[in-house]
Amino acid sequence: QVQLQESGPGLVKPSETLSLTCTVSGGSISTYYWSWIRQPAGKGLEWIGRIYTSGSTNYNPSLRSRVTMSVDTSKNQFSLKLSSVTAADRAVYYCARSNYGDYAFDYWGQGTLVTVSS
Amino acid sequence: DIQMTQSPSTLSASVGDRVTITCRASQSISTWLAWYQQKPGKAPKLLIYKASTLESGVPSRFSGSRSGTEFTLTISSLQPEDFATYYCQQLNSYPYTFGQGTKLEIK
Repeated sequence: QVQLQESGPGLVKPSETLSLTCTVSGGSISTYYWSWIRQPAGKGLEWIGRIYTSGSTNYNPSLRSRVTMSVDTSKNQFSLKLSSVTAADRAVYYCARSNYGDYAFDYWGQGTLVTVSS
Repeated sequence: DIQMTQSPSTLSASVGDRVTITCRASQSISTWLAWYQQKPGKAPKLLIYKASTLESGVPSRFSGSRSGTEFTLTISSLQPEDFATYYCQQLNSYPYTFGQGTKLEIK
């Protein structure tokens, strides 16, 4: 059974960079697309972007200037960096896998809350 | 960006009811539409993809359909565990976008 687990600081200072890692277990990270999604408290879901195991990326234009994603196939991990964070970036951040054919996100991490505060 | 508009935002229903949630795309997305269920404090769970394909392990009381740019999620007979928030998502083009959610409450 594939499992995803987000990790990283739960508190980031304004203007600094949020860094999260998603570790994939129970299956290979290869040949799939991997996404980051976030959800502010009490609100809906926002897709941040995705990365393929080759390293190719697609980002949400609303965040593109601040987002960097990377993948480490040797560790079965992929990562998110979001720079110049503000209070508006406070949210639960999820990592997820696209299923074959990229029709949906079939596996999700449990989510990690990131708060932005000095 | 493709806008996904769900209705209703909140739905009150009883166990055993048949309920339908609608999601309308602002432009054609073919069948690149998925439905998710989210319970408080949990990650979304995939229910349906390609507009009408049931994800493995999801009960058959869940079904999806498409008419043009309008998509529906139907739960044929509500069970207590179905009370949750439901989201649609388009995967036709970037950025992938979600509907605002439909909260299904117990009447």
